[in-house]
Amino acid sequence: AQSVTQLDSQVPVFEEAPVELRCNYSSSVSVYLFWYVQYPNQGLQLLLKYLSGSTLVKGINGFEAEFNKSQTSFHLRKPSVHISDTAEYFCAVSEDTGNQFYFGTGTSLTVIP
Amino acid sequence: DAMVIQNPRYQVTQFGKPVTLSCSQTLNHNVMYWYQQKSSQAPKLLFHYYDKDFNNEADTPDNFQSRRPNTSFCFLDIRSPGLGDAAMYLCATSSRWGTLSTDTQYFGPGTRLTVL
Repeated sequence: AQSVTQLDSQVPVFEEAPVELRCNYSSSVSVYLFWYVQYPNQGLQLLLKYLSGSTLVKGINGFEAEFNKSQTSFHLRKPSVHISDTAEYFCAVSEDTGNQFYFGTGTSLTVIP
Repeated sequence: DAMVIQNPRYQVTQFGKPVTLSCSQTLNHNVMYWYQQKSSQAPKLLFHYYDKDFNNEADTPDNFQSRRPNTSFCFLDIRSPGLGDAAMYLCATSSRWGTLSTDTQYFGPGTRLTVL
């Protein structure tokens, strides 16, 4: 089974500063990678996903992520955050051979005015 | 224009008293999922339906059951809730084009269950 690690449980960052949320996974088999965002009192919403092709994936709200197979990582980045980006961010991984999604424990991003 | 709706948003039940959580969708998706998310933990898949085909995860306790009477609705039944079942329960849907591994899932806002 996969193990998905989000090393930072909480990330405070000032408004308009860049941010990187880290995600590492355990397996070396073919994987698909996702980032979801959860705003307060709302469901999870897909930010972006990597299925194949270019390792740099662009998503909604100015976020992007880079798939690094050798480091088994899929870090999420945004060059300039807004107050409205304050939310919980979840990394998820699925395997080519299975039908299971493995979620990380989430990173709480707080944007400080 | 809510797409995945969960009712109620907050549910309080007593230890051992059966409880049912509801999920409905307006997306006409053929796959529906139930996840359990405990505080500061990752969402954990309990089971999913592909149309009427039920798929139970191997480690989902027998205490948890599900029903899908039609495409739009799916229910989570907890037959005898224990204190350890207190959690957020998330419903999600997807439209299966390839394998489940690649589908985007659309989540509802969740139901927070408290067991007294």
